[in-house]
Amino acid sequence: QVQLQESGPGLVKPSQTLSLTCSVSGASFGSGDYFWTWIRQPAGQGLEWIGRIYSNGGINYNPSLKSRVTISVDTSKKQFSLKLTSVTAADTAVYYCARADAFMAGYYFQYWGQGSLVTVSS
Amino acid sequence: DIQVTQSPSSLSASVGDRVAITCRATQSISRYLNWYQHKPGRAPELLIYAAYNLRTGVPSRFSGSGSGTDFTLTINSLQPEDFATYYCQQTYTTPWTFGRGTRVDIK
Repeated sequence: QVQLQESGPGLVKPSQTLSLTCSVSGASFGSGDYFWTWIRQPAGQGLEWIGRIYSNGGINYNPSLKSRVTISVDTSKKQFSLKLTSVTAADTAVYYCARADAFMAGYYFQYWGQGSLVTVSS
Repeated sequence: DIQVTQSPSSLSASVGDRVAITCRATQSISRYLNWYQHKPGRAPELLIYAAYNLRTGVPSRFSGSGSGTDFTLTINSLQPEDFATYYCQQTYTTPWTFGRGTRVDIK
């Protein structure tokens, strides 16, 4: 059973860096045709894809966040991480990690973490 | 970016009703359209992938159709546990994008 779990501070001050880690269990982490991804949902709004990282380190970011986002992977720990710099109140959201599995030329998110609420406030 | 527009944004329905939610992409995305169910306080759950493939374990009352730019999620005989928000998502090209959601409420 594949499981993902987000961890990190629930409160971040404006202008600081938001850092979250996603720990993966029950899955082969370093191989397989899938991406490890981050998604967020501000309160009362829809889902926003933040970015993805392949097990070999290949990365894509949402252009809307690209200048502030870094996603990295630690295969030995079966973890991947999100850093978002210069945060504002607009970055307050529930952050999800998920695995994007390949299907033909597309992907789908079958496995998700339970979500981590991050509030940006002084 | 490819935008996906869902409609309606919300609907009220009764147990046993048939419900249809549509998703339209701003350009052709072939079949690379997924549907998720989202309940408050929980992670979204995959229902349909690649337009019409039912995820294992999802009840057969859920079905998906469409290709190109127009897609539909249909729920036959709505059940009490189906009241939730539904999102479509395109993975044809990055940035992967979601619709704004359709909230299904009890009438």
